[in-house]
Amino acid sequence: DGGITQSPKYLFRKEGQNVTLSCEQNLNHDAMYWYRQDPGQGLRLIYYSQIVNDFQKGDIAEGYSVSREKKESFPLTVTSAQKNPTAFYLCASSILYGRAHRELFFGEGSRLTVL
Amino acid sequence: KNEVEQSPQNLTAQEGEFITINCSYSVGISALHWLQQHPGGGIVSLFMLSSGKKKHGRLIATINIQEKHSSLHITASHPRDSAVYICAVNYGGATNKLIFGTGTLLAVQP
Repeated sequence: DGGITQSPKYLFRKEGQNVTLSCEQNLNHDAMYWYRQDPGQGLRLIYYSQIVNDFQKGDIAEGYSVSREKKESFPLTVTSAQKNPTAFYLCASSILYGRAHRELFFGEGSRLTVL
Repeated sequence: KNEVEQSPQNLTAQEGEFITINCSYSVGISALHWLQQHPGGGIVSLFMLSSGKKKHGRLIATINIQEKHSSLHITASHPRDSAVYICAVNYGGATNKLIFGTGTLLAVQP
């Protein structure tokens, strides 16, 4: 079955360390996204990519970096510059028809805790 | 003020009850999504609407473009429906960004 696989599901990090969250999809979707979820807030967009080797900053990109070397993969690195990285991170993908997100799929999420 | 407002924030129902969750937004949109988030955290897309009404099993979603309002209904609710339900809107214009509501936490008791 097609879907999105995120790993790891839980991750603990010491302050000052970079960590990379994996996101892989086998849906043949061009568009992929990273969102951050904090208690009491809606999902917020970190980065998105609509095509291989191209990506754009979302609303809260500071302290994060991404790459899109393959269509299937969109890893997110949480750098030491991110001031408050403890959060739940969700990867998503979709087919874009004009401005509509069709076949919107999400992964199971990765929970990052900074010690 | 969030651009996407959901109500109620929390809802407790007895098994079998008819449930309605509401979503209001502030500007014109190209589409609206209803999503379901289970306790483990993964999110599933339930509906994408640009007009009218859609039905899937016991779930019904409606949208009124003029009033900028959508509702998600669950008929004959069941404890397995317990989850967070999230509304997300796709604004028109130069961007295809999704704006998310903060979610409605539903608990269906047996």
